[in-house]
Amino acid sequence: SAVISQKPSRDICQRGTSLTIQCQVDSQVTMMFWYRQQPGQSLTLIATANQGSEATYESGFVIDKFPISRPNLTFSTLTVSNMSPEDSSIYLCSVLTGMNTGELFFGEGSRLTVL
Amino acid sequence: GESVGLHLPTLSVQEGDNSIINCAYSNSASDYFIWYKQESGKGPQFIIDIRSNMDKRQGQRVTVLLNKTVKHLSLQIAATQPGDSAVYFCAENTISGNQFYFGTGTSLTVIP
Repeated sequence: SAVISQKPSRDICQRGTSLTIQCQVDSQVTMMFWYRQQPGQSLTLIATANQGSEATYESGFVIDKFPISRPNLTFSTLTVSNMSPEDSSIYLCSVLTGMNTGELFFGEGSRLTVL
Repeated sequence: GESVGLHLPTLSVQEGDNSIINCAYSNSASDYFIWYKQESGKGPQFIIDIRSNMDKRQGQRVTVLLNKTVKHLSLQIAATQPGDSAVYFCAENTISGNQFYFGTGTSLTVIP
């Protein structure tokens, strides 16, 4: 298993600003992911955070809007840039344990409200 | 990403009854599936998983059934308890990639 800590747990932001969410894992993991969960909806994969290289983004998500860093095997950040009310969501960090398939663990999420 | 959907977005059951939550997936190449439980204000919590070489797997009070022919997954919860009230998601994965894609979700309400 893995213990995942996210900061902030929640925030209220103004339109046009940017916010960086941090994800810290208690052990080294090979795969880290960022998901978005809009109100009352399921989880949508934003990107795979690759250690030492650029993140791999899913269709509909771009680096300019959601820049991601992953400087090492235990830490990643997701920035939500130039926010609008449509970006109000829960953003979840997740990690994959083991190689190839394995259990996907989640943090508690960061709840962003954009006014 | 792949399309994973659910038949029933909400489900209400009496305490003590069995619950069945369904999930349809679209990618026939998916070979690993996980059911998650998400309580209000929390991140998804792993419940049970199943690989495509199995059609049934049992855990404590939960059973997952996989029908690859019709690309259907179900989660059965025995003797449902109030603490089971949550949103349940299925997620699929292919061995060629590490990404997991989630279904729509079913909100389960247990009536005492």
